[in-house]
Amino acid sequence: GAVVSQHPSRVICKSGTSVKIECRSLDFQATTMFWYRQFPKQSLMLMATSNEGSKATYEQGVEKDKFLINHASLTLSTLTVTSAHPEDSSFYICSARDSGQEAVYGYTFGSGTRLTVV
Amino acid sequence: DQQVKQNSPSLSVQEGRISILNCDYTNSMFDYFLWYKKYPAEGPTFLISISSIKDKNEDGRFTVFLNKSAKHLSLHIVPSQPGDSAVYFCAASEGGSQGNLIFGKGTKLSVKP
Repeated sequence: GAVVSQHPSRVICKSGTSVKIECRSLDFQATTMFWYRQFPKQSLMLMATSNEGSKATYEQGVEKDKFLINHASLTLSTLTVTSAHPEDSSFYICSARDSGQEAVYGYTFGSGTRLTVV
Repeated sequence: DQQVKQNSPSLSVQEGRISILNCDYTNSMFDYFLWYKKYPAEGPTFLISISSIKDKNEDGRFTVFLNKSAKHLSLHIVPSQPGDSAVYFCAASEGGSQGNLIFGKGTKLSVKP
């Protein structure tokens, strides 16, 4: 089945530094990838939609200059948390949509990245 | 305002019995509904879905029921097994070219031996 690889699974960084999270579709092409954030006891909140070769679409309230998204190829999207603050500590999950499948059913999620900013 | 609501944060069920997870939604434009299962420190995995043109979809031990008039859906797991213990997310989509999913907050299911 479809596999999405997300790295790193855990990262601890100092305040003010930047952290890059990678999301790769291993056996399918993904023109669209999604980045989610999950706070404790909260739902998965969509942060942005990443489209290959074009700018990402950010959800309301998400700072695009802080959460930089790059989707340079059909199999890779990256999320860079810039100038990280402790309040950015969270669980980030990506999902990739198989271009060859019907939209709603083609979602495959990565395993998530636990970011801790100290 | 939450468009997809899972009002029960947790549910505990005895092994072999039925687990019923509930989900309510407010957006009448949603036309697909999905359930995802999530283990700690892992991404969600797709479990079962239902189109708005149906009222029931069954896959093995898992059955999803949709009541459009009540804007309510439920996931039934029978018989429940300890391995079913996880957080279950209800998600909805308006479909279309984007197919973005709106998730509920999740319900943590614990199946006790």
